[in-house]
Amino acid sequence: EAQVTQNPRYLITVTGKKLTVTCSQNMNHEYMSWYRQDPGLGLRQIYYSMNVEVTDKGDVPEGYKVSRKEKRNFPLILESPSPNQTSLYFCASRPLGGNSYEQYFGPGTRLTVT
Amino acid sequence: ILNVEQSPQSLHVQEGDSTNFTCSFPSSNFYALHWYRWETAKSPEALFVMTLNGDEKKKGRISATLNTKEGYSYLYIKGSQPEDSATYLCAFPMDSSYKLIFGSGTRLLVRP
Repeated sequence: EAQVTQNPRYLITVTGKKLTVTCSQNMNHEYMSWYRQDPGLGLRQIYYSMNVEVTDKGDVPEGYKVSRKEKRNFPLILESPSPNQTSLYFCASRPLGGNSYEQYFGPGTRLTVT
Repeated sequence: ILNVEQSPQSLHVQEGDSTNFTCSFPSSNFYALHWYRWETAKSPEALFVMTLNGDEKKKGRISATLNTKEGYSYLYIKGSQPEDSATYLCAFPMDSSYKLIFGSGTRLLVRP
């Protein structure tokens, strides 16, 4: 089954404790992206990647890191989480080659930083 | 700053009612417009990707139109059902990059 998976689905952590949210897709998509969703703000892009070892900042990259060492994986790293990073996070992927391809979203990770 | 605006913010309708909502986007440098349906506790799912002015797309009771010259797209739901209750998001690619700017969504609740 074609899918985007994220782990963990739920995480409660404390300020300053490094964490990684994993994202993996099995569709051989070149493009992968991370979003956060906050009430009233819609989905905001954190980082995206157009291929292995190619990453770029989205609209709200501060406090986040990503890596793309393999095509299928695009982990989101919070080196020192803070309470303002409490949010619902979505990973997405799609084929490259124009803007006419829809994105496939993972199930979401609900992160709470206390 | 690129703005994608959706209205209304929320909508409550009765089962069987038809409804529509709007996505407004900058009309210059149009690349595509995406519509997604996002049910509570699930992930957003693509409904339509529209690329041409005058495009009309349909999936079951849901359809969408696109006017790139004036910068808007309408999403219509005919004969709404409770299972149509969801947040409907539109998204606009920012220039020729692959950054998608999302609207804040229209939250639809269909009462049985």
